[in-house]
Amino acid sequence: DVKVTQSSRYLVKRTGEKVFLECVQDMDHENMFWYRQDPGLGLRLIYFSYDVKMKEKGDIPEGYSVSREKKERFSLILESASTNQTSMYLCASARGGPSYGYTFGSGTRLTVV
Amino acid sequence: KNEVEQSPQNLTAQEGEFITINCSYSVGISALHWLQQHPGGGIVSLFMLSSGKKKHGRLIATINIQEKHSSLHITASHPRDSAVYICAVRDTQGGSEKLVFGKGMKLTVNP
Repeated sequence: DVKVTQSSRYLVKRTGEKVFLECVQDMDHENMFWYRQDPGLGLRLIYFSYDVKMKEKGDIPEGYSVSREKKERFSLILESASTNQTSMYLCASARGGPSYGYTFGSGTRLTVV
Repeated sequence: KNEVEQSPQNLTAQEGEFITINCSYSVGISALHWLQQHPGGGIVSLFMLSSGKKKHGRLIATINIQEKHSSLHITASHPRDSAVYICAVRDTQGGSEKLVFGKGMKLTVNP
């Protein structure tokens, strides 16, 4: 069964910590995405990548960075976690082109205290 | 104005009822997705469609490209259908690969 795996389901971090969220897909997809989901705001795109070592900013990249050293892995990095980054983080992947669907991970609920 | 609007925002139904969830969008699209998210869970893709109608089990999705509108129908609803249903469109502007999401509709089906 094809899937997108996020390394943690729940995470609690302290303000100022550097946080790594990992996402791995086993479908050889070119595109990978990081979203955050907040009540009343829906899903918002943080960053996406369309190839290894390639990345583009989404709608809310401030306070985040990403890394894609291998095709199957896309990491989201919070350089210095803040309480307003408490959220549900969802990773997704998709094959390139408009005809292909997206596969989402199970999400990581991050709490910054 | 949001590019993708869903209505209603919340819906409570009784088991067995026929349910319709609507989605309107204002941008040119290459495809529209219906997604399902159970409480505390990840997102599952239900349908991707660019024209006409698709059916899977008790779920039917339709799209009218001219009217920029899509509907998701659930027949013989069941409490396990309780979830948030999200409409998302693949925006064709600038050759983007990105999805634009609606805010979702929370469905509660009571036994």
